[in-house]
Amino acid sequence: QQQVKQSPQSLIVQKGGISIINCAYENTAFDYFPWYQQFPGKGPALLIAIRPDVSEKKEGRFTISFNKSAKQFSLHIMDSQPGDSATYFCAAPSSNDYKLSFGAGTTVTVRA
Amino acid sequence: DAGVTQSPTHLIKTRGQQVTLRCSPKSGHDTVSWYQQALGQGPQFIFQYYEEEERQRGNFPDRFSGHQFPNYSSELNVNALLLGDSALYLCASAEGNSNQPQHFGDGTRLSIL
Repeated sequence: QQQVKQSPQSLIVQKGGISIINCAYENTAFDYFPWYQQFPGKGPALLIAIRPDVSEKKEGRFTISFNKSAKQFSLHIMDSQPGDSATYFCAAPSSNDYKLSFGAGTTVTVRA
Repeated sequence: DAGVTQSPTHLIKTRGQQVTLRCSPKSGHDTVSWYQQALGQGPQFIFQYYEEEERQRGNFPDRFSGHQFPNYSSELNVNALLLGDSALYLCASAEGNSNQPQHFGDGTRLSIL
């Protein structure tokens, strides 16, 4: 069973600042590691995903950093905007099954 | 290109009743997974369907069952509803027989009275 630990539980950042969310997983996993963004009343939307053979992936203001040896990966939101205020979930697949295990979520609030 | 669609958006039931939730996957996707998301928590895996078969199941009781149709759409059935079944039920779809990134619908909010 894959366990995923996500921190912090919540964070507040000023507009234009950097938001950093960290995740750690326990079991060896393959394929990809996704981050999801969820607004109230909506389902999780795939934000960005990284494969374990890559150490960093950047899409616009969002960057995933992956440390395979430490079994950790993080999401950096650069130049944070009020529209980025949402709950962010990391997830990790297991090596021998098909389900995604999710972190508990991080609520990000961007102050204007 | 339509994404994952779920119906209904909201549902209110009473304890002991049965409910059926529906999901149409994103175009081109043939794998459907169901998740339960309690308030303030991350989604929890219920089961996954591929080629009309339940391929994997999470730690949910047999009261939770599902089905996948030849057009890849899927249903989630929950029998003998309990107060604790109140949650957002999410459907996710993916392409192919591998762990490709899953795309979620907006879910069905189920409330049990």
